[in-house]
Amino acid sequence: GDSVTQMEGPVTLSEEAFLTINCTYTATGYPSLFWYVQYPGEGLQLLLKATKADDKGSNKGFEATYRKETTSFHLEKGSVQVSDSAVYFCALRRGGSNYKLTFGKGTLLTVNP
Amino acid sequence: ETGVTQSPTHLIKTRGQQVTLRCSSQSGHNTVSWYQQALGQGPQFIFQYYREEENGRGNFPPRFSGLQFPNYSSELNVNALELDDSALYLCASSLGAGRGEDEKLFFGSGTQLSVL
Repeated sequence: GDSVTQMEGPVTLSEEAFLTINCTYTATGYPSLFWYVQYPGEGLQLLLKATKADDKGSNKGFEATYRKETTSFHLEKGSVQVSDSAVYFCALRRGGSNYKLTFGKGTLLTVNP
Repeated sequence: ETGVTQSPTHLIKTRGQQVTLRCSSQSGHNTVSWYQQALGQGPQFIFQYYREEENGRGNFPPRFSGLQFPNYSSELNVNALELDDSALYLCASSLGAGRGEDEKLFFGSGTQLSVL
């Protein structure tokens, strides 16, 4: 079945450091790939997405490129801020008649001033 | 602010009891899906409803059931609660049936259920 494996946390960085959170997936066909962010006490928010191979999703300085050859969708940001502290989830969705998302376990990011 | 509200925010039940969790979607959102997020895990898909009909289900037993109402509210019911049902339950709504690649999911903040 479908699965998503992402980098174990927690990840602790200083402000302005470079961030990478690794994500790899297993799925048949050509899934869409997503990064969601969960701030404390809040629901999930879509951060970025890519729907086909070599697409790059970007938002708020975060980027991720859909790499079919390595089945990866790593999240990167060049300079993190304290406000980026949250849990980040990689997810995939196969095309079909419903909106089932398969999530990774999440990576807790803490950014210190 | 996603426009999706869930109630209650926290709930404590004992093993064997039944529970109903509620979700209010944005007006016009015809699809609602429910996810279970155990501590330290990613959310797992329970099921999805489109225009009051179930149109997708994850690997959850029949004691997990749902309802969707014409006023864009919905319920998740769990019978015969087990200790492992303790989790954050998230609902998410979207405009369509999930066929469109550009459809966006809007998540609520969740209901934290503890089963003792």
